[in-house]
Amino acid sequence: GENVEQHPSTLSVQEGDSAVIKCTYSDSASNYFPWYKQELGKRPQLIIDIRSNVGEKKDQRIAVTLNKTAKHFSLHITETQPEDSAVYFCAASKGGTASKLTFGTGTRLQVTL
Amino acid sequence: DVKVTQSSRYLVKRTGEKVFLECVQDMDHENMFWYRQDPGLGLRLIYFSYDVKMKEKGDIPEGYSVSREKKERFSLILESASTNQTSMYLCASSLAGGPGETQYFGPGTRLLVL
Repeated sequence: GENVEQHPSTLSVQEGDSAVIKCTYSDSASNYFPWYKQELGKRPQLIIDIRSNVGEKKDQRIAVTLNKTAKHFSLHITETQPEDSAVYFCAASKGGTASKLTFGTGTRLQVTL
Repeated sequence: DVKVTQSSRYLVKRTGEKVFLECVQDMDHENMFWYRQDPGLGLRLIYFSYDVKMKEKGDIPEGYSVSREKKERFSLILESASTNQTSMYLCASSLAGGPGETQYFGPGTRLLVL
């Protein structure tokens, strides 16, 4: 089955700096890669996603890049703010009738003042 | 606005007890999922269902079963709870339609098995 590895497990940045979280996947048939954010004590929520026919997608301060050849994708957060502090999960899916996601192990991002 | 609710936020059970965790969604989603979340292990899929009375094993189904008698409700059952099932359990739902369907999560149930 699919295996998704995520690094780093923890990341601390100063407010205003950029943060990058990286994931690799094993199944070349995977074609959908979402990122979920989970604030402390809250439920995970989708923040951005990318499909395999696109190399990069941007939404304000967050962007995701995908390298299909190398089977890795990354989340980039620019101009980080304290409210960006959370656990971020990457995931991969091959699609099908039920979009089963395989998640990475998560990255705890701490934005310090 | 999509709403996914779970029957309990916190549960304390004893080893060997039968435990029911319930999840309800109000958006007519076809797909429903049960995950467990443990520190350092991320979200691991236990079971999912893409239709009423249909179920598929996820990555860690051992010790669990599920039931989906109605479209809006997906139950996770621990037949005989064990201490290694102490965890946060998250339910999610999504529309059918292949990749790209956002999963909406419930608030989670933190289960402690003594």
